[in-house]
Amino acid sequence: DAGVTQSPTHLIKTRGQHVTLRCSPISGHKSVSWYQQVLGQGPQFIFQYYEKEERGRGNFPDRFSARQFPNYSSELNVNALLLGDSALYLCASSSRWTGFHYNQPQHFGDGTRLSIL
Amino acid sequence: AQSVTQLGSHVSVSEGALVLLRCNYSSSVPPYLFWYVQYPNQGLQLLLKYTSAATLVKGINGFEAEFKKSETSFHLTKPSAHMSDAAEYFCAVSDYAGGTSYGKLTFGQGTILTVHP
Repeated sequence: DAGVTQSPTHLIKTRGQHVTLRCSPISGHKSVSWYQQVLGQGPQFIFQYYEKEERGRGNFPDRFSARQFPNYSSELNVNALLLGDSALYLCASSSRWTGFHYNQPQHFGDGTRLSIL
Repeated sequence: AQSVTQLGSHVSVSEGALVLLRCNYSSSVPPYLFWYVQYPNQGLQLLLKYTSAATLVKGINGFEAEFKKSETSFHLTKPSAHMSDAAEYFCAVSDYAGGTSYGKLTFGQGTILTVHP
């Protein structure tokens, strides 16, 4: 079975531009979370969606937004890109909502490497 | 809020030697703890999880971790290191406080494991 797939794998943008990152969860998984991993640090939580509703949001500015589609795939959008947005963006899926099933493991994709020039 | 601290950003061992990666947690409620591994240019792969069923947890690739409540620790060990174990390892705690929490993962800073021949 396919794991979590993310596209594109690499992306180069300039300051002020907009970017859209995409994620397809493991088949049957209804929960998708987004994390930002800056070089040399652990991942930081951005958003969680379950059944197409936003269930959680991390400490990120409003330039960051996301949505989940009826097929449970998800998009992360970032507007007005800053140099500090350069990072690996990871998508994770789980079969059940981690807000209730706290021991539910999250399965990560290989991420999108975003570089801002 | 829950948090984890990984002691030692870099650990170097010889092939065949014991691997010990340290993780301490802070949580006001019984924690749900995870260890993930990240190989270069890849996402995170789940090694093991602690969910209170047993204090000694066995994971993939010969790794195991022991939950010690008195020491608030969840250290990762492997009896004999292989060259293929060289990667970055992350300890994470699931955000659980009941009510409005949603099980986001809070990660430590990571420990880079180097294995020498």
